[in-house]
Amino acid sequence: DAKTTQPPSMDCAEGRAANLPCNHSTISGNEYVYWYRQIHSQGPQYIIHGLKNNETNEMASLIITEDRKSSTLILPHATLRDTAVYYCIVRVDNAGNMLTFGGGTRLMVKP
Amino acid sequence: DADVTQTPRNRITKTGKRIMLECSQTKGHDRMYWYRQDPGLGLRLIYYSFDVKDINKGEISDGYSVSRQAQAKFSLSLESAIPNQTALYFCATSMGSSTWGETQYFGPGTRLLVL
Repeated sequence: DAKTTQPPSMDCAEGRAANLPCNHSTISGNEYVYWYRQIHSQGPQYIIHGLKNNETNEMASLIITEDRKSSTLILPHATLRDTAVYYCIVRVDNAGNMLTFGGGTRLMVKP
Repeated sequence: DADVTQTPRNRITKTGKRIMLECSQTKGHDRMYWYRQDPGLGLRLIYYSFDVKDINKGEISDGYSVSRQAQAKFSLSLESAIPNQTALYFCATSMGSSTWGETQYFGPGTRLLVL
């Protein structure tokens, strides 16, 4: 699986959009970009994933650059409950094994 | 109701004791995983199972064993617990036949303290 690089921490004002970047310059053509988050010692929560096109669901939007070397997770209206560590993971479809969680980005949503 | 449940949620045990952590899922997924997380660190894979008859060692399987009793149940055992197995343990599931990536869904975790 390709290595990812994320900023260690970010702040965001409540109600504003949170834009979390991720670099994955060594990504291969068959690797998906996944985003998970972990809210203090709870089980990691799946947010969204994509391959080439931008994706949106009820939680977030995922913007993948045309060269696929970076992506951005967008939480459109951050709330205090979105405070968590966000992990960007790149992995092959149906790899059937571990998810490799790197350091992630600690997002602090402030009132 | 939660799709992936873990029992117990918290456990304190003594060195040398055998303990079992259990995981159940109602998602109908065929693949199940056990991870551990140490404070401030990422998750590390202990064991994974693609179906009832398939068990695979992960990154850190020493000192652990597993049992896949049914498609919906996957248990993790510590045969003789030691203090450095104190950690947060997560179970996860996924659908191997998915045609759009393979998302893993996690349980709430079991906090284990070995004295």
